[in-house]
Amino acid sequence: GENVEQHPSTLSVQEGDSAVIKCTYSDSASNYFPWYKQELGKGPQLIIDIRSNVGEKKDQRIAVTLNKTAKHFSLHITETQPEDSAVYFCAAIFTGGGNKLTFGTGTQLKVEL
Amino acid sequence: GAGVSQTPSNKVTEKGKYVELRCDPISGHTALYWYRQSLGQGPEFLIYFQGTGAADDSGLPNDRFFAVRPEGSVSTLKIQRTERGDSAVYLCASSLMQDNEQFFGPGTRLTVL
Repeated sequence: GENVEQHPSTLSVQEGDSAVIKCTYSDSASNYFPWYKQELGKGPQLIIDIRSNVGEKKDQRIAVTLNKTAKHFSLHITETQPEDSAVYFCAAIFTGGGNKLTFGTGTQLKVEL
Repeated sequence: GAGVSQTPSNKVTEKGKYVELRCDPISGHTALYWYRQSLGQGPEFLIYFQGTGAADDSGLPNDRFFAVRPEGSVSTLKIQRTERGDSAVYLCASSLMQDNEQFFGPGTRLTVL
C-alpha cells in the first residue's frame, strides 16, 4: 500500500553542523514530495518541496534531493541554528491518491548550543 | 495575506457529545483538506474538498464523521457521538486548485473525556 518511511526518529546535532533526514516511499509513480516543519502547538509549515522532474532543490540553508530509482528523498539543513529545532515530516502524493498527502512518522530535530 | 485559520483552538467535550470544528482557508484557495494528527504521529488524511463537493472522503474513519463546505470556502468537520479515541489535533489545509502545495492551519486540539 501507500507508505512513507522516515528516519531517524530523533536527531541531535551541534549548532552549525548539518542535519540530514531521509524518507523512502512505496509508489514509484509518486510525483510530489514536500517537507514540513512543525513546532510545538502549531500546524505543519511547508518549508520546501520537490517534484519528480528534478533531482535537487535548494532554498538558502535547506535542500532536498530525490532519487526516483531508489524511491527515496532527503532533507538537508546546513549551518543549523537553535530555531531549527522542531519536528520535521516528509510527505508524498501517490498516483491515483487524489491530492492527499501521506506523511512519514516525523523526525524530532534538536540543535544544541 | 492571512493564512488558514481554525476555530476553536481547543475543544474539550464529553464522550457521546457532538462537536463541530471550523476551518477558514486561504482566500482564493479552492481545495480544502482535513487531516487528523495523534500524539507523536504524522497527520493522517480524512477528507478533501474541491469547491463545494467532497472529492475524496476515503480517510473518514466511520459514519460518525462528516464534513461540509456549502459555499466553497469555510468548512466544518462534524463528529457525532464522540469517543475517547477521537482525541487528537484536527488540522485543516488549503491549496490552489491546480497546485499541490498545501498550507496548514494551527489545528484544533480535541479532547474527549
